[in-house]
Amino acid sequence: GAGVSQSPSNKVTEKGKDVELRCDPISGHTALYWYRQRLGQGLEFLIYFQGNSAPDKSGLPSDRFSAERTGESVSTLTIQRTQQEDSAVYLCASTRQIQETQYFGPGTRLLVL
Amino acid sequence: SQQGEEDPQALSIQEGENATMNCSYKTSINNLQWYRQNSGRGLVHLILIRSNEREKHSGRLRVTLDTSKKSSSLLITASRAADTASYFCATVFAGNMLTFGGGTRLMVKP
Repeated sequence: GAGVSQSPSNKVTEKGKDVELRCDPISGHTALYWYRQRLGQGLEFLIYFQGNSAPDKSGLPSDRFSAERTGESVSTLTIQRTQQEDSAVYLCASTRQIQETQYFGPGTRLLVL
Repeated sequence: SQQGEEDPQALSIQEGENATMNCSYKTSINNLQWYRQNSGRGLVHLILIRSNEREKHSGRLRVTLDTSKKSSSLLITASRAADTASYFCATVFAGNMLTFGGGTRLMVKP
């Protein structure tokens, strides 16, 4: 595809439920990132995958958050036992080379009631 | 904590005027990038300036970088209503993770 895609676009869930967010990076991009953006705020780094290296999970806010990536393709971000403070836009980005331009998907807007 | 901070947090100008946004950061960097975001969704990359560069142009955009002051500025000349958006600076250091500031919300009135 031409760009990074994310699904779903919007997700409304009840507190305590698990949610899974999906990101399809640009083909050939070896690195994939997840960020969280709360309303009116900047982006918070969550996790980073680079090729076959161990992911950098240093930004995950709690053990309720996890992410997986299959090879250099799709990634899923899972939030278990969602809380209202998890409500945010979750953005995925991919890049071809390290430290270069990141290409962002449109994001998934998560609302936890 | 955020590495970068944009200034001002909000800016309102008339169409045709120039808009200047500033970004300050805390650590050494490999490069600094400016992004634009419409309606709180996906970010669009505008320009990347490396730590050994001082100024860069792209169309109506001009970015400066002063590593001694750990600051950067984004100038949009001859602004248009379509430039209304939030603008973020992001830095890269010792890895590939972007660290973002809180953004400047620009409103360009027609």
